[in-house]
Amino acid sequence: QQQVKQSPQSLIVQKGGISIINCAYENTAFDYFPWYQQFPGKGPALLIAIRPDVSEKKEGRFTISFNKSAKQFSLHIMDSQPGDSATYFCAAAHITDSGNTPLVFGKGTRLSVIA
Amino acid sequence: KAGVTQTPRYLIKTRGQQVTLSCSPISGHRSVSWYQQTPGQGLQFLFEYFSETQRNKGNFPGRFSGRQFSNSRSEMNVSTLELGDSALYLCASSSGTGDNEQFFGPGTRLTVL
Repeated sequence: QQQVKQSPQSLIVQKGGISIINCAYENTAFDYFPWYQQFPGKGPALLIAIRPDVSEKKEGRFTISFNKSAKQFSLHIMDSQPGDSATYFCAAAHITDSGNTPLVFGKGTRLSVIA
Repeated sequence: KAGVTQTPRYLIKTRGQQVTLSCSPISGHRSVSWYQQTPGQGLQFLFEYFSETQRNKGNFPGRFSGRQFSNSRSEMNVSTLELGDSALYLCASSSGTGDNEQFFGPGTRLTVL
């Protein structure tokens, strides 16, 4: 019930292309879906997050698409750049009045953007 | 605003020893969460402290413990270290309410020999 499944494990994209990472969750109580970016030797950094009241959220080149009925959400990176090469994690949690439940993370996707 | 600080950054211990890791959250944040990151298991939640009280706990053995001080700084302790405890230990700071966006520190890399 607590799992978040992320795919693919690794992804190679040409510079300027679109990177797409998918996640699926099981717990219908989840209502907060963040994406994190992690570079080697660094902690994960919050990239963008979405709540289920919208189906899409865009921030610069990064877009989250959310499908509540399918219990799936995805990250699209437009015009991918070599500097985007990192590991990306999706996560999910349930927001309560006293803060959210612990984040449940996907296993991560290692993205390599090649010139 | 200063980010999340974790000390030490690297640690080498031997089996059976104990270790204490420290985390200083972003100023004004009252919640500190700890995660273990390994290549095989990914990011796994250890526990969360909010206003000096443990608010959530993950599925880890009792050898893993933590605490939070009145200034919101947090420590985690691992006793009787095992080889499998080798990991990157990450601390995340958040306000503790609402969307509760979590901001991660750089982590402490623990190696158990």
